[in-house]
Amino acid sequence: GESVGLHLPTLSVQEGDNSIINCAYSNSASDYFIWYKQESGKGPQFIIDIRSNMDKRQGQRVTVLLNKTVKHLSLQIAATQPGDSAVYFCAVSNYGQNFVFGPGTRLSVLP
Amino acid sequence: GAGVSQSPSNKVTEKGKDVELRCDPISGHTALYWYRQSLGQGLEFLIYFQGNSAPDKSGLPSDRFSAERTGGSVSTLTIQRTQQEDSAVYLCASSQQGANTGELFFGEGSRLTVL
Repeated sequence: GESVGLHLPTLSVQEGDNSIINCAYSNSASDYFIWYKQESGKGPQFIIDIRSNMDKRQGQRVTVLLNKTVKHLSLQIAATQPGDSAVYFCAVSNYGQNFVFGPGTRLSVLP
Repeated sequence: GAGVSQSPSNKVTEKGKDVELRCDPISGHTALYWYRQSLGQGLEFLIYFQGNSAPDKSGLPSDRFSAERTGGSVSTLTIQRTQQEDSAVYLCASSQQGANTGELFFGEGSRLTVL
């Protein structure tokens, strides 16, 4: 099966700095990866995804990096803003079937 | 709206009672998932429906938990003889399998409190 973990349960950054949130997975057959953002009292919202045939994908202020060799995934947020404060989850799946979620990292943006 | 709808948003029940949680997925989405999220924790997979295929029930924690999906649309998660450890937010998500992204769209969740 798949297990997904994160290196840090909490992360505090200064407003305007860059944030990096990490995720590790166990199943080398996993081929689809998504980062979700969850604000208090809400369901998770899609941020960005990446497939195993890519190493990097960029969105608006966000970049996802995938290192299949060490089974590691990261989310980079540029110029972090107060509205970025939330819990961030990585989700990992095989052929888009059952998604396994990591435990989450709570990002706090300091003024 | 066009999003995933869950009801009730909050449910308080007594230990030993049965509860039903409902999920209306996005129209046309063939895949439907149930997850459980305890306070401050990650998402625990419960069950996955895909079209007319047999559901993946591998995440259901005990035989007190069951789920149905009628007509390939609405799903109901039933918890029988609720226990205090069942208290959590139950999240439903749907996705359009076959689309390029496979992204899961989540509802706001049903918060269950078992007294």
